[in-house]
Amino acid sequence: AQKVTQAQTEISVVEKEDVTLDCVYETRDTTYYLFWYKQPPSGELVFLIRRNSFDEQNEISGRYSWNFQKSTSSFNFTITASQVVDSAVYFCALSEGRHSNSGYALNFGKGTSLLVTP
Amino acid sequence: DADVTQTPRNRITKTGKRIMLECSQTKGHDRMYWYRQDPGLGLRLIYYSFDVKDINKGEISDGYSVSRQAQAKFSLSLESAIPNQTALYFCATRDGDWDTQYFGPGTRLTVL
Repeated sequence: AQKVTQAQTEISVVEKEDVTLDCVYETRDTTYYLFWYKQPPSGELVFLIRRNSFDEQNEISGRYSWNFQKSTSSFNFTITASQVVDSAVYFCALSEGRHSNSGYALNFGKGTSLLVTP
Repeated sequence: DADVTQTPRNRITKTGKRIMLECSQTKGHDRMYWYRQDPGLGLRLIYYSFDVKDINKGEISDGYSVSRQAQAKFSLSLESAIPNQTALYFCATRDGDWDTQYFGPGTRLTVL
């Protein structure tokens, strides 16, 4: 079963629009970590954020912000005033502990492809 | 220099050939991972290693093998490549159980 669901396959926005990428996860663990990675057209994976299951504070980093809600098992990512350089595929990922049989490896969602046009 | 390197970056091979993808890291991390990325499927775990003597299968290990030659090196082999192994392969490292995973630049493999 998919442990991380990114329901939006593709999103297209015009520059300066705000955009939110959704991520819903599923786990039986009480201790887990959530991550967001960016994959630009060049192909590398760029780490954006790591959040543990005990820290529900929202986080803001420049134009990026993250909303973690355990009650809805969601970890959504918002880009404010989007720019063309934000065009990429964005992955949400889950790392479990006790119920992991994969060495704390990352369970990735299928990704959301964001296209920002001028 | 990059902390996690992968060679080759691109490879085209034929069905039935044996191929090795190599990963090296200078981060001093014990934990290393191999993932495969297919369009629209995200990344899936092939193998992982906690140290030189500890190697474990991941979700999709069939058709692959690995070797952890040293703390810094983790190689992925396709014993007899087949076309559905065409994908983008990533190596990753991490320090502790919950730490961030750092990825190499990826190897794009095409099996004809």
